[in-house]
Amino acid sequence: DAGVIQSPRHEVTEMGQEVTLRCKPISGHDYLFWYRQTMMRGLELLIYFNNNVPIDDSGMPEDRFSAKMPNASFSTLKIQPSEPRDSAVYFCASRRQGSTDTQYFGPGTRLTVL
Amino acid sequence: GENVEQHPSTLSVQEGDSAVIKCTYSDSASNYFPWYKQELGKRPQLIIDIRSNVGEKKDQRIAVTLNKTAKHFSLHITETQPEDSAVYFCAATFDNDMRFGAGTRLTVKP
Repeated sequence: DAGVIQSPRHEVTEMGQEVTLRCKPISGHDYLFWYRQTMMRGLELLIYFNNNVPIDDSGMPEDRFSAKMPNASFSTLKIQPSEPRDSAVYFCASRRQGSTDTQYFGPGTRLTVL
Repeated sequence: GENVEQHPSTLSVQEGDSAVIKCTYSDSASNYFPWYKQELGKRPQLIIDIRSNVGEKKDQRIAVTLNKTAKHFSLHITETQPEDSAVYFCAATFDNDMRFGAGTRLTVKP
């Protein structure tokens, strides 16, 4: 099992540019989560999907952020336009159906917006 | 929604000593409490978890206790080693809403 896969691992961009982060969950997992981690705010849940359907996006900071899951093996988190305060590590995580099943994190994408 | 508080924010112990990290949660319906360890530059990784129908769980040097009445749970690490140095996060889950504590930076001095 390859685990949760994220790309790119590092992204450096300039303010105003569009950024797209990608995630491939573990095969067979029904839930996919996007988190943002910063020193100031810790680990924040941005949005999660169940069977490719967005269930709760209340953590998405503003309209500049959007997420999609076109199929069971792929999800994207897009920021447009990006701002310096979006600089953070973005983690994708997935788990099976049960709410007490283990949630596995991807390696993260370190985003730097200049 | 759920609110999870974690203490202390930093903890320094001597190698071989024990370390205890405590968390409280607000939603009495929360039923799953995982603990994650995050090394510098790495992803959070599950080290132990406990479900609400269990009061204590142990895995080698790591143990977790849960007090549902008081709504708090704790991580205990015995015989600490330098490789235990990391940031530890507790979390509480109700349904699909997993909320994390702010993290505890544990340093084990050789």
